[in-house]
Amino acid sequence: TQLLEQSPQFLSIQEGENLTVYCNSSSVFSSLQWYRQEPGEGPVLLVTVVTGGEVKKLKRLTFQFGDARKDSSLHITAAQPGDTGLYLCAGEMGYAGNMLTFGGGTRLMVKP
Amino acid sequence: NAGVMQNPRHLVRRRGQEARLRCSPMKGHSHVYWYRQLPEEGLKFMVYLQKENIIDESGMPKERFSAEFPKEGPSILRIQQVVRGDSAAYFCASSRLAGLSSYNEQFFGPGTRLTVL
Repeated sequence: TQLLEQSPQFLSIQEGENLTVYCNSSSVFSSLQWYRQEPGEGPVLLVTVVTGGEVKKLKRLTFQFGDARKDSSLHITAAQPGDTGLYLCAGEMGYAGNMLTFGGGTRLMVKP
Repeated sequence: NAGVMQNPRHLVRRRGQEARLRCSPMKGHSHVYWYRQLPEEGLKFMVYLQKENIIDESGMPKERFSAEFPKEGPSILRIQQVVRGDSAAYFCASSRLAGLSSYNEQFFGPGTRLTVL
């Protein structure tokens, strides 16, 4: 059983559509990070959310941290083929400097 | 502005050989983390090190695996007597903690893909 459950695992959509990826847990996290990973490469940090209820925007990407800091979502508006990739959420528990616990990932494909 | 460096990018070993994976953290970062990504699985924490100290090795297999981060030079993840099940992508991440009250952003290297024949 994953400590962080990501859904959906796979998502295939047409260019221009909107989508939301969810990251859920029964545990409280001190911070939560979203990464994007391309095949053969390491995860690239997109954003870190720290405060319950926090919303951060990165161009067409909107990240939200749940009020109780147990869940997060990533919403992409008007998806483009360049958004294709593996999206990973990762939570940090307890004190800063602790390890990250990763979700299983959402593999997104945006078709032109 | 060099990021986290890992080498080699690809490593092939026969069963029973040793594998040494190297990681140089980002400039100014003194905390290193190793993660393993098995095929079709998520990233799993292995070990957290600061210079000359192992802080948390709760994710490390008890046998054959060891890690170090010496005062000078890169962090090394060492796997002795490799088996086929060790085949995976091994990622290193580094961070710079600003203090106990700060959150911890980890930046990842490109990974080393280990194949055990």
